[in-house]
Amino acid sequence: SQQGEEDPQALSIQEGENATMNCSYKTSINNLQWYRQNSGRGLVHLILIRSNEREKHSGRLRVTLDTSKKSSSLLITASRAADTASYFCATVGFSGGYNKLIFGAGTRLAVHP
Amino acid sequence: DAGITQSPRHKVTETGTPVTLRCHQTENHRYMYWYRQDPGHGLRLIHYSYGVKDTDKGEVSDGYSVSRSKTEDFLLTLESATSSQTSVYFCAISEKGEIEKLFFGSGTQLSVL
Repeated sequence: SQQGEEDPQALSIQEGENATMNCSYKTSINNLQWYRQNSGRGLVHLILIRSNEREKHSGRLRVTLDTSKKSSSLLITASRAADTASYFCATVGFSGGYNKLIFGAGTRLAVHP
Repeated sequence: DAGITQSPRHKVTETGTPVTLRCHQTENHRYMYWYRQDPGHGLRLIHYSYGVKDTDKGEVSDGYSVSRSKTEDFLLTLESATSSQTSVYFCAISEKGEIEKLFFGSGTQLSVL
């Protein structure tokens, strides 16, 4: 079963609005990463937040992590049409003697001009 | 895409034939990964490598084998392709493993008829 699960599965907003995507996971983690995937392309790393961090910013991106609730959120402020993509959370946990990175199924974001 | 080249980009093959996908990196990163991406499943790890000739299985390794004879090349082989292996395959690299970010190639679309 997947460690990280995103919510919602799909999100449609207008340019200039904020987009919030959530990720829940099941077991203890070392860090949580967010990736973006444009249609027909590979994944691009956006941001990494470690288990001892609660919030992290990168440009228009804000990620929060609540380890007590086993959840994270990705906020994109002032969205642009170019933000249209799928967004994946990936959790890193120590299992079976090594670190494992497990991806969720993703949130498809559509930003309309 | 961060010095990662996947070949071929597209391939159509018949059930029962062997198929080899190639991943080539110019970043000299130690860790290399093969993932498959299917609708509703996110990315699932097939095999990974933590050095030349050092490889291990991921969560969906059945029917796949890998080889890494040089730092820069990681080959994924489907010994006898089946229709269930129709998917998009992504290679990824990392300098320090899953505890840090992964860089992804552009993917190979494989169709097994």
